[in-house]
Amino acid sequence: KQEVTQIPAALSVPEGENLVLNCSFTDSAIYNLQWFRQDPGKGLTSLLLIQSSQREQTSGRLNASLDKSSGRSTLYIAASQPGDSATYLCAVHMNRDDKIIFGKGTRLHILP
Amino acid sequence: NAGVTQTPKFRVLKTGQSMTLLCAQDMNHEYMYWYRQDPGMGLRLIHYSVGEGTTAKGEVPDGYNVSRLKKQNFLLGLESAAPSQTSVYFCASTFTSAGLPHFGNGTRLTVT
Repeated sequence: KQEVTQIPAALSVPEGENLVLNCSFTDSAIYNLQWFRQDPGKGLTSLLLIQSSQREQTSGRLNASLDKSSGRSTLYIAASQPGDSATYLCAVHMNRDDKIIFGKGTRLHILP
Repeated sequence: NAGVTQTPKFRVLKTGQSMTLLCAQDMNHEYMYWYRQDPGMGLRLIHYSVGEGTTAKGEVPDGYNVSRLKKQNFLLGLESAAPSQTSVYFCASTFTSAGLPHFGNGTRLTVT
């Protein structure tokens, strides 16, 4: 059974700092891994999608890496801003049964 | 293009009542998913479908049923609602296993 774990559960950092969010998964038989952002009371916004054959993806100040063999992904946010405050979720698409399994998220607060 | 549309946006039920949540997508996506989100729990997969006429159980299927009679629609049914089913429900769809999931805006359900 796939388990997706996100550490830390919550994080507060001063504005301007670079930060790393972590995601780990127990079953490496995945098509891809995705990172999402969710603002309070809102839906999910897709940030980055990494296919299983890829090592990283970048979009603006965001960089996501994937090490499938060790079951880990990181989301790097450069020069954090108060507008980055949100919950960040990672999810894996299983190639065995096509389930998409989410972690519980990291609640990020950027201090002005 | 509407993307993924969930109906209704809000609903209050009494214990024992039944209802159906509708997810509709206009992107010709093969895969569709139903999730529930509870505080601190991330998104948990209820049921999903990999094509018209197919359904499969996710992580928390008990108390729910689904149908995918038309490719564009994925229905989630609660036959006898319980307070434990109070949650926010999200629907998602994706074209292929390598594709980026698109999410609806959620349905907030309260069972009293």
